[in-house]
Amino acid sequence: GENVEQHPSTLSVQEGDSAVIKCTYSDSASNYFPWYKQELGKGPQLIIDIRSNVGEKKDQRIAVTLNKTAKHFSLHITETQPEDSAVYFCAAIMGGGADGLTFGKGTHLIIQP
Amino acid sequence: GAVVSQHPSWVICKSGTSVKIECRSLDFQATTMFWYRQFPKQSLMLMATSNEGSKATYEQGVEKDKFLINHASLTLSTLTVTSAHPEDSSFYICSARSTSGNTIYFGEGSWLTVV
Repeated sequence: GENVEQHPSTLSVQEGDSAVIKCTYSDSASNYFPWYKQELGKGPQLIIDIRSNVGEKKDQRIAVTLNKTAKHFSLHITETQPEDSAVYFCAAIMGGGADGLTFGKGTHLIIQP
Repeated sequence: GAVVSQHPSWVICKSGTSVKIECRSLDFQATTMFWYRQFPKQSLMLMATSNEGSKATYEQGVEKDKFLINHASLTLSTLTVTSAHPEDSSFYICSARSTSGNTIYFGEGSWLTVV
């Protein structure tokens, strides 16, 4: 099955700086890679996703890049703000398959004021 | 974005009783719904996958007779924790995949405390 590795487990950045979270996956058949933000006591919220036919996708301060050859994808947050503090999870799935998402272990992002 | 509603958001039950958690897709039809369990400061662990009108597929190590899943319609799946014990206390989260694509949306989760 799929295996997703996520780094770092904790990331502390100064407000206004950029944050980068990296993930690798093992199953070359995976073709859909969403990122979720989870605040304490709440369910994960989809913030951005990318499909394997695209190398990069951007939505305002958030961007995701995908390198299919190396089987890794990254989340980039620019101009970080205090409300960006949360746990971020990457995930991978084979689109059209019946399986659920395989999640990374999560990154606790802390924005220092 | 699409909305997935979970109910109840928190529940306390006595050991030995059963508790049901509902997961509804409010503005889209979901062919597949997933149930996850999450312990504090850990990632989400997939428990089972349910497809409308068919039996759920459970992950290894998850007892199907203890965690009963029913996906009766394209907008509703239920998870019933039977004969609950304190070790079943956890945060249970459902997600749903729309019939129109691969995007998966999550509910807000349900806190279960067994006393």
